[in-house]
Amino acid sequence: DAGVIQSPRHEVTEMGQEVTLRCKPISGHNSLFWYRQTMMRGLELLIYFNNNVPIDDSGMPEDRFSAKMPNASFSTLKIQPSEPRDSAVYFCASSLQGPQPQHFGDGTRLSIL
Amino acid sequence: AQSVTQPDIHITVSEGASLELRCNYSYGATPYLFWYVQSPGQGLQLLLKYFSGDTLVQGIKGFEAEFKRSQSSFNLRKPSVHWSDAAEYFCAVGVSRRGSYIPTFGRGTSLIVHP
Repeated sequence: DAGVIQSPRHEVTEMGQEVTLRCKPISGHNSLFWYRQTMMRGLELLIYFNNNVPIDDSGMPEDRFSAKMPNASFSTLKIQPSEPRDSAVYFCASSLQGPQPQHFGDGTRLSIL
Repeated sequence: AQSVTQPDIHITVSEGASLELRCNYSYGATPYLFWYVQSPGQGLQLLLKYFSGDTLVQGIKGFEAEFKRSQSSFNLRKPSVHWSDAAEYFCAVGVSRRGSYIPTFGRGTSLIVHP
């Protein structure tokens, strides 16, 4: 079975540019999560969706961050404009609804110069 | 509010030695507990989970964990560590929030294995 697929795996761009991270969850999973991982803050939940609907975006750091899930098989996390402090590894995870474990993608390593 | 504490930032063991990684949680109701492992450049992978029933749970790669309600702990163990076990280990407690179960993760414990 294909796991959670994230793209790109690495992204290097200059500050001020728009960055779009993509995620394809596991087929049949109806919950999707976006995380950010840094040495300073550890693993932070940014936003999660149930059945394509955003449920809680209280972890999104600023209005520069936005996330969408137009259908059950695709989600994006966008940063516009990007800043150097956004440099981190961004993970997407999916799960069945309920007290189920999450399945993580391999992440996107983002570097903002 | 729920929280997870992994008191050890780094643990160093020799290959073949036994391992115990500590995890303490704070949550008012019956917790759903997880251990994940993260290898460099990869996402988190589930090792094992506890929902209810037998307090000693078996996971993949020879790992096990024991839920102790009286101590609010869910420590991870392995009787004999292999060099390939070197990775970051995360404990998490799943909390019901708005119809979903959202894990709260600890800060992780980095396992270093000496030959």
